[in-house]
Amino acid sequence: AQTVTQSQPEMSVQEAETVTLSCTYDTSESDYYLFWYKQPPSRQMILVIRQEAYKQQNATENRFSVNFQKAAKSFSLKISDSQLGDAAMYFCAYRSLGMRFGAGTRLTVKP
Amino acid sequence: DTGVSQNPRHKITKRGQNVTFRCDPISEHNRLYWYRQTLGQGPEFLTYFQNEAQLEKSRLLSDRFSAERPKGSFSTLEIQRTEQGDSAMYLCASSLWGQGAKNTEAFFGQGTRLTVV
Repeated sequence: AQTVTQSQPEMSVQEAETVTLSCTYDTSESDYYLFWYKQPPSRQMILVIRQEAYKQQNATENRFSVNFQKAAKSFSLKISDSQLGDAAMYFCAYRSLGMRFGAGTRLTVKP
Repeated sequence: DTGVSQNPRHKITKRGQNVTFRCDPISEHNRLYWYRQTLGQGPEFLTYFQNEAQLEKSRLLSDRFSAERPKGSFSTLEIQRTEQGDSAMYLCASSLWGQGAKNTEAFFGQGTRLTVV
């Protein structure tokens, strides 16, 4: 079974600074997708960034980028120039057939 | 199409009653997922459908839980004989399974919050 582990229940960052959220996963499959989702308080889950396992190049979406280490089964999210609106729960997710989520990291952004 | 729609948004029920939730996915999406999320936790996988076929069920889905997607479009999740431990947010998501990275993203609904009293 696939498992996703987020070892940081909470993280805090100063506005305009950079923060990295960690995620590791366990799988025996070679073809899969990885995602970071954001869930603001009482709001809908939305996609932040995705990574295909067959691609070596790390995905980037504006201020969000990932460090994908396939051999280490690590998939961290870096948020640059943090903004107050980035405050939310962040979930790492693994998808092969179904999608599995980590327990989440609560990010606080300090003004 | 305005995205994944879930109804009702909130449901309060007495212990022992049956409840049914509905999910309308994005129309062209062939995959539909159900998750349960408790406060401060990540979504826990319950089950998913490829069109009308239910392909996988989590062990979380006890015999009191059943899900259907009869025509490969909307889906229902029913909980029979509800228990207080069933209180949670029930999330539905849909995606398009096919070739290409853009097809793999799952879009989520706003969820149905169930409170069992």
